[in-house]
This record gives sequence, structure tokens and C-alpha cells, in this order.
Amino acid sequence: NAGVTQTPKFRVLKTGQSMTLLCAQDMNHEYMYWYRQDPGMGLRLIHYSVGEGTTAKGEVPDGYNVSRLKKQNFLLGLESAAPSQTSVYFCASSRTALYGYTFGSGTRLTVV
Amino acid sequence: GDSVTQMEGPVTLSEEAFLTINCTYTATGYPSLFWYVQYPGEGLQLLLKATKADDKGSNKGFEATYRKETTSFHLEKGSVQVSDSAVYFCALSTPNNAGNMLTFGGGTRLMVKP
Repeated sequence: NAGVTQTPKFRVLKTGQSMTLLCAQDMNHEYMYWYRQDPGMGLRLIHYSVGEGTTAKGEVPDGYNVSRLKKQNFLLGLESAAPSQTSVYFCASSRTALYGYTFGSGTRLTVV
Repeated sequence: GDSVTQMEGPVTLSEEAFLTINCTYTATGYPSLFWYVQYPGEGLQLLLKATKADDKGSNKGFEATYRKETTSFHLEKGSVQVSDSAVYFCALSTPNNAGNMLTFGGGTRLMVKP
């Protein structure tokens, strides 16, 4: 029972490089989310998805794109990384809000 | 809109001390309430939840009671351990929320000293 798996766990990028963060869940959840967590700022929602093939913007979507081609996977892309995107990124999934979210263990990204 | 306010940390306690972390909320509709815990270097884990007024959620010695009249969901533990050192997040979700989303508080860091 893996839950929510994020890859990679750590990454260092140079400014302007691109990368994709992968989130995979094995619980058949409809809803999936990407958050970033910065020191002293709590969690901020980047993008979310309410089902396969759908995505929507959250609180801080600029500089990021997402795709949900398969129900179990939610990809977060950075097309041209900037130092301001240095953060810890968390993926979460949910069946319904009443059950809460299941979080992945995070990806620590540093952009230099 | 919905919002969650938590007491600012860090909260520093000695082992076996009593813990209270305050959480108050504003919500449109009748929310469900949650506490999440984040241990160092890990993701958030659901600690406990309550879905209606006067419900008490409990887990691992932690408790929180859904108080509709004071719009609060304070987290308590009678005797903390060093292993409880973590960041604690209060959160809510309201019905008919289009994105099925949780609204999180800013988190409260707890440090327990031996």
C-alpha cells in the first residue's frame, strides 16, 4: 500500500532549466493537488485536479503547468526554473474532503 | 472566504507538559475540521478529524473538540513527548467545495525538550 509517491525526492536545477515532478497514487482517488511549502509561509496550492483529464489553477500557479492524463498520476512541470521556485513541493490526493488528504513525502527543489 | 487561524509558534515545552495549540476558523457552510502533523523532513499526515459540532477527534493521545459556538478546534495533549516535536496544521473543508479542497492554517511548530 504505497499511498502517494513523489519522484524525485531531491533535485538541483540551474536557472532556466526545465523539469517535471511526478506524483502517483494507488488509492483510486479522484482529486489530486500540488502544493509548495516555503519557510514561514505554510502550504500554498499551485494547481489541482478533480479528475482524469482535468486541471485547475490554485493560489500560486504562475511558472508551473500540470497534466493529469491518467487518474493515478499528476505531473507538475517547470518550463523555465527560477530561484523563486526553490521550495519543497508536496502532492496530495483525496477521495472526498471529508476523509482529508493523503500527502506524499515531498520533493525538495533548489534552483541556483 | 474560508480561513483558518492558528497560534504562532514555536511552542516550546518540556517533556510531560500539557499541550494546547489554538485553532479558530471562519467558513461558509458547515465545515469538517482536521489536524495534520508534519515531522521533520516528511509530508503531512492526518492526525485527527471531526465532522460535526461537539464531535471529538482523537489519535495518539491528541484530542480536539469541534466547537461551533466559538468556531474553534483546539488541539490538546495531556503529556507531550520529545517524539511529538513537529509542525501541526489545522484545516477545514466545506461541503459543495468545487475543488474538494482543504483550507490550511499557517502551521504551529512544537518543540519538546527532554
